[in-house]
Amino acid sequence: DAKTTQPTSMDCAEGRAANLPCNHSTISGNEYVYWYRQIHSQGPQYIIHGLKNNETNEMASLIITEDRKSSTLILPHATLRDTAVYYCIVKKSEGGKLIFGQGTELSVKP
Amino acid sequence: GAVVSQHPSRVICKSGTSVKIECRSLDFQATTMFWYRQFPKKSLMLMATSNEGSKATYEQGVEKDKFLINHASLTLSTLTVTSAHPEDSSFYICSANVPDTQYFGPGTRLTVL
Repeated sequence: DAKTTQPTSMDCAEGRAANLPCNHSTISGNEYVYWYRQIHSQGPQYIIHGLKNNETNEMASLIITEDRKSSTLILPHATLRDTAVYYCIVKKSEGGKLIFGQGTELSVKP
Repeated sequence: GAVVSQHPSRVICKSGTSVKIECRSLDFQATTMFWYRQFPKKSLMLMATSNEGSKATYEQGVEKDKFLINHASLTLSTLTVTSAHPEDSSFYICSANVPDTQYFGPGTRLTVL
């Protein structure tokens, strides 16, 4: 599975959009980009995933560049409850293992 | 999304005893479940893949005789930490596979005294 690179930490003002970048330059054609988040002392929560098209659900939007070497997770109106560690993971959709990197620690501030 | 539960949420035990942690998929069946552990301020580390009806597959460096995994049904996988020692104290998290993603349990905090 391809490796990902994320900033260690980011701050965001409450009510503003949080844009979390992820680099995955070695992604292969059948690998998806997954995003999870982990709030302190809880299990990870699934957010969204995509292959090459942009995706949106009730939690977030996922923007994948045309060459698929990077992506951005967008939380459109961040709240204090969005403070968490966000993990970008690349893996094949069917089967495969989720291997967690260090993620981005997002702090949403009032 | 799919719901995964773990029991217990917290457990404290004495050194040398064994502890069993249950992972259940509540509203779906999962032929594959995964077990992770997480130390404070660290990321999740995959321990093993649990396959219903067959032996678990352990990641490199994980002792299979110490961390016993049983996946007896399509909704239940168990992790038994045998002869637990203080260094086994950690946050243990399971996940269950659905066709295109994985859903995680809330985790079990194990403290070995």
